[in-house]
Amino acid sequence: QKEVEQDPGPLSVPEGAIVSLNCTYSNSAFQYFMWYRQYSRKGPELLMYTYSSGNKEDGRFTAQVDKSSKYISLFIRDSQPSDSATYLCALQAAGNKLTFGGGTRVLVKP
Amino acid sequence: DTGVSQNPRHKITKRGQNVTFRCDPISEHNRLYWYRQTLGQGPEFLTYFQNEAQLEKSRLLSDRFSAERPKGSFSTLEIQRTEQGDSAMYLCASSFDSLEGYTFGSGTRLTVV
Repeated sequence: QKEVEQDPGPLSVPEGAIVSLNCTYSNSAFQYFMWYRQYSRKGPELLMYTYSSGNKEDGRFTAQVDKSSKYISLFIRDSQPSDSATYLCALQAAGNKLTFGGGTRVLVKP
Repeated sequence: DTGVSQNPRHKITKRGQNVTFRCDPISEHNRLYWYRQTLGQGPEFLTYFQNEAQLEKSRLLSDRFSAERPKGSFSTLEIQRTEQGDSAMYLCASSFDSLEGYTFGSGTRLTVV
């Protein structure tokens, strides 16, 4: 079983819809939680970073962490075709390495 | 500063050949990381430098792999005697003592034929 599970998708939504993404994890040592966006043939781009349970908002993006359930989510409001990409959750325990989920491919249709 | 730079962007090599990739981090970042990403998967950690010291290596980093960061600036990742299973995207990232600055480059795509 992988340490971080993420539905690969693809997740197809109409423009303007809310995109809901999530990851589950098994290692309670994970303390820091990140979401990255990756366009085709590009490196991952950091979207959100949080270390506590609860919600964090940044523009159209909301990250949610539930440490008791080992569940993290990312919501994208008012989705745009330019949001079409692969979204990766990344978790960190002690040390510096990140443990990534497999990524969810999102398609936002005009 | 234009972010993390990786060269070459693409590399095709024959099985058994050696290859070397270069990463130039953001200039003020003291930490540098290498990851490997295969198609449809998330990146997997390979190794980490703080300044010139290599502080952590994954078990994925077999004896055929070696990474260096002389003088704590750019880094190189060398793969000796390449195998078809080495085909992947090799990503470099850098940060300055903060995860919020964990910036990835665009990667080097390696194809072993």
